[in-house]
Amino acid sequence: SQQGEEDPQALSIQEGENATMNCSYKTSINNLQWYRQNSGRGLVHLILIRSNEREKHSGRLRVTLDTSKKSSSLLITASRAADTASYFCATAPPNDYKLSFGAGTTVTVRA
Amino acid sequence: GAVVSQHPSWVICKSGTSVKIECRSLDFQATTMFWYRQFPKQSLMLMATSNEGSKATYEQGVEKDKFLINHASLTLSTLTVTSAHPEDSSFYICSAAGLAGLNTGELFFGEGSRLTVL
Repeated sequence: SQQGEEDPQALSIQEGENATMNCSYKTSINNLQWYRQNSGRGLVHLILIRSNEREKHSGRLRVTLDTSKKSSSLLITASRAADTASYFCATAPPNDYKLSFGAGTTVTVRA
Repeated sequence: GAVVSQHPSWVICKSGTSVKIECRSLDFQATTMFWYRQFPKQSLMLMATSNEGSKATYEQGVEKDKFLINHASLTLSTLTVTSAHPEDSSFYICSAAGLAGLNTGELFFGEGSRLTVL
C-alpha cells in the first residue's frame, strides 16, 4: 500500500531558485529514498537516508528526515531547467526491502 | 550505478492478446526483482516481488493469473500480461536488487514499458 504522501503536488519555480518538497509517511521505516522521474521514463535514484540519520547532502540536493514527525524534505538548490521532473519519496519498512512510493511532486523549472 | 534494461519500451496490442515484458540486470546478478505499475500522473504501485528460482509474491489485489511473472535466471525477469484489456494499459516498471542492494535498500530501475491495449 502507498505510504508516503507528498506536498506540494506541483511546484513551478524560476531557474536558479530553490525547490522544496515534503514527504510524510505513516509507519516505522528502515530508510527513506528520493527518486526522480522524467516524463515517460524510469526512476533515477537520488538519495537514501537511513532512519538514524537526520540530514544528507548530495550535490545540489539536501534531504532531511524527522522520524518523530514521520516526515522528510527534499531541497534542490539553484534549480536548472533539467531538474524539471516528478520527484517521489519511497520508504522501506524495518526488516523489509519493499518500497512504498508517495504520490510525487511535479516540479517545473522555468528558464 | 547498475543498469537495468526493460524491453520493449512501448507496445501496442489488441484486446485479448498477451504481452511479455522483459527486465534484465545487465551488470549484476539480481536476486530479487520488483514489478510496478504506474497510471498517468500517479505513483508507482508494487505489483509483485520475484525471486530467482521461486514463485513470485503478489501484492493484494493483483491477479497472479493475469500478470504472470517468471524469474528464471539471476539476470532476467519477465512479466506477461495475459488476455490484455484496455484497462491494463499502463506504464510497467521493474526494479532489481542484488544481495547487497537488499541490505542497503538500493534498487535500480528499468526505463519502463508503456503498454497500450486497443
